[in-house]
Amino acid sequence: EDQVTQSPEALRLQEGESSSLNCSYTVSGLRGLFWYRQDPGKGPEFLFTLYSAGEEKEKERLKATLTKKESFLHITAPKPEDSATYLCAVQSTQGGSEKLVFGKGTKLTVNP
Amino acid sequence: NAGVMQNPRHLVRRRGQEARLRCSPMKGHSHVYWYRQLPEEGLKFMVYLQKENIIDESGMPKERFSAEFPKEGPSILRIQQVVRGDSAAYFCASSQTGTDSPLHFGNGTRLTVT
Repeated sequence: EDQVTQSPEALRLQEGESSSLNCSYTVSGLRGLFWYRQDPGKGPEFLFTLYSAGEEKEKERLKATLTKKESFLHITAPKPEDSATYLCAVQSTQGGSEKLVFGKGTKLTVNP
Repeated sequence: NAGVMQNPRHLVRRRGQEARLRCSPMKGHSHVYWYRQLPEEGLKFMVYLQKENIIDESGMPKERFSAEFPKEGPSILRIQQVVRGDSAAYFCASSQTGTDSPLHFGNGTRLTVT
């Protein structure tokens, strides 16, 4: 069964203090790994898709990387507006399924 | 450029009543997905539909739950005879092509069963 584990569950940073969020996964065959951001009371907002080990993608202060077992979301010099829950999800190649399997998320708080 | 629209945003039902949740996908998107989010839990896949077809309903309970995406109109997730355990946030997402295209989520319907 496909599984996604995110750590830490919660992370508090000071503004400007860089850090990384981890997403460990087990999947029969990786079709894609996705990162989303979710604000309270809102739906997840798409950030990145990674397809193969070694791939990296960047957007403003965020950079996502992928290995064969895990993905990292690096946050450089975060600002308070980066506070949100960050979700990781995988899509499997098995059975032609389109579904995403999500982790429980990392709740990030950035203090000014 | 409207995003995925879900209504109602909040829905309160008594045990035994029916709940109907609506989802209009983004313009040009013909693939619709429903996910459920319980408190302190991750998003769980329920069902994947294309126009007039259910493609994958492996995550949907066999009883009391049904989904449709008619040729005209929004996708509907229907829960009959609701129980307290159905209380959750239900999110709809849509994509353009299904395969390899990112999902765009609505802001969800929060169902409370009293």
